[in-house]
Amino acid sequence: QTVVTQEPSFSVSPGGTVTLTCGLSSGSVSNSNLPTWYQQTPGQAPRTLIYNTNTRSSGVPDRFSGSILGNKAALTITGAQADDESDYYCVLYMGSGLWVFGGGTKLTVL
Amino acid sequence: QLQLQESGPGLVKPSETLSLTCTVSGGSINSGTSYWDWIRQPPGKRLEWIGTTHYSGSTYYNPSLKSRVTISVDMSKSQFSLKLSSVTAADTAVYYCARHIGGTGNFSWGQGTLATVSS
Repeated sequence: QTVVTQEPSFSVSPGGTVTLTCGLSSGSVSNSNLPTWYQQTPGQAPRTLIYNTNTRSSGVPDRFSGSILGNKAALTITGAQADDESDYYCVLYMGSGLWVFGGGTKLTVL
Repeated sequence: QLQLQESGPGLVKPSETLSLTCTVSGGSINSGTSYWDWIRQPPGKRLEWIGTTHYSGSTYYNPSLKSRVTISVDMSKSQFSLKLSSVTAADTAVYYCARHIGGTGNFSWGQGTLATVSS
């Protein structure tokens, strides 16, 4: 079974830049996987940040950006703010209507 | 603006069937480009895609749950539903309904509902 991998945790200083990644246990992530990134704070539903690799969802500030870096999808936060401290999940489309979520990255801003 | 609202019993007994409904407002459930999803999140764990349906009747299920899951659409009520049979404690989770546009991963989410499996 395909596993989508993310860093369990990451920390960034206020104002700093951080890149979170989303990979596959076997193979490379490409645009055809429609990489999508969500932000989730405790007790809340996820919020879509980036979809289809690099398209920002409505209302998402431009300090959030998405890309493919090497064989993984990446979410970069530029100028991190305190309220960016959240869990970040990616999801990949595996074809035939199937989606697989990553394990999530807990981002600390300190 | 699209709104999704989950409803259903918050407590289900082991071995029984979990049934949840999602009511769609602010959008058309029979839109050709809309796909309707169920996603869950056990306490403290990752999100898990359960399955997707389309108003045409097409369905797609997580292989690990496929034998126990049924997702269907009721266009007359602008609702879609989830049935998960033979539940165990491992099925305790917040269940989200969502919508994505075909060809994108841009899910729009409901607020989620907690379903607990316990005797």
